[in-house]
Amino acid sequence: EAQVTQNPRYLITVTGKKLTVTCSQNMNHEYMSWYRQDPGLGLRQIYYSMNVEVTDKGDVPEGYKVSRKEKRNFPLILESPSPNQTSLYFCASTPRAFSGRVADNEQFFGPGTRLTVL
Amino acid sequence: GQQLNQSPQSMFIQEGEDVSMNCTSSSIFNTWLWYKQDPGEGPVLLIALYKAGELTSNGRLTAQFGITRKDSFLNISASIPSDVGIYFCAGRHGSSNTGKLIFGQGTTLQVKP
Repeated sequence: EAQVTQNPRYLITVTGKKLTVTCSQNMNHEYMSWYRQDPGLGLRQIYYSMNVEVTDKGDVPEGYKVSRKEKRNFPLILESPSPNQTSLYFCASTPRAFSGRVADNEQFFGPGTRLTVL
Repeated sequence: GQQLNQSPQSMFIQEGEDVSMNCTSSSIFNTWLWYKQDPGEGPVLLIALYKAGELTSNGRLTAQFGITRKDSFLNISASIPSDVGIYFCAGRHGSSNTGKLIFGQGTTLQVKP
């Protein structure tokens, strides 16, 4: 089954304790992205990756790191989490970095990770 | 970072009614996308638009790419209870070839049977 998986689904942690949220897709997609969703703000892009070893900042990258060593995995790293990073996080993948072909724009989202930083 | 202005923020309607929501931007987009998010899940793509003036349907859903390329709307006809969820618009700038998407704040739809 084609899917995007995220782990963990729920996490409660304390300020300053490094954590990693994993994201994996089994569709051989080139483009992957991380978003955070906050009430009233919609989805805001944190980082994205056009392909292996190619990553770039989105709109709200402060306090986050990513890596793309393999095509299927795109982990999100919080080196020193703070309470303002409490949010719902989504990983997404797309066949390519958006083209005129409808199929290339099908962005598959993971189930989400609800993170609470105390 | 830039955000899209999506309205209304929420709607509470009777089953069978038609729904309309829209997104506006201060800058030009070359792609508009509409997503739906069911409770507890990630967003799912409903409709993609690529040309100014384009009108596209997906079942009871119809979306249009505004002529000015700065807005888009989504209509849902004859709403049913399973239409409940959060609807997001998303756009990509005309000058961007990076694939970066900007999302609206979302419209929460509730349907009363």
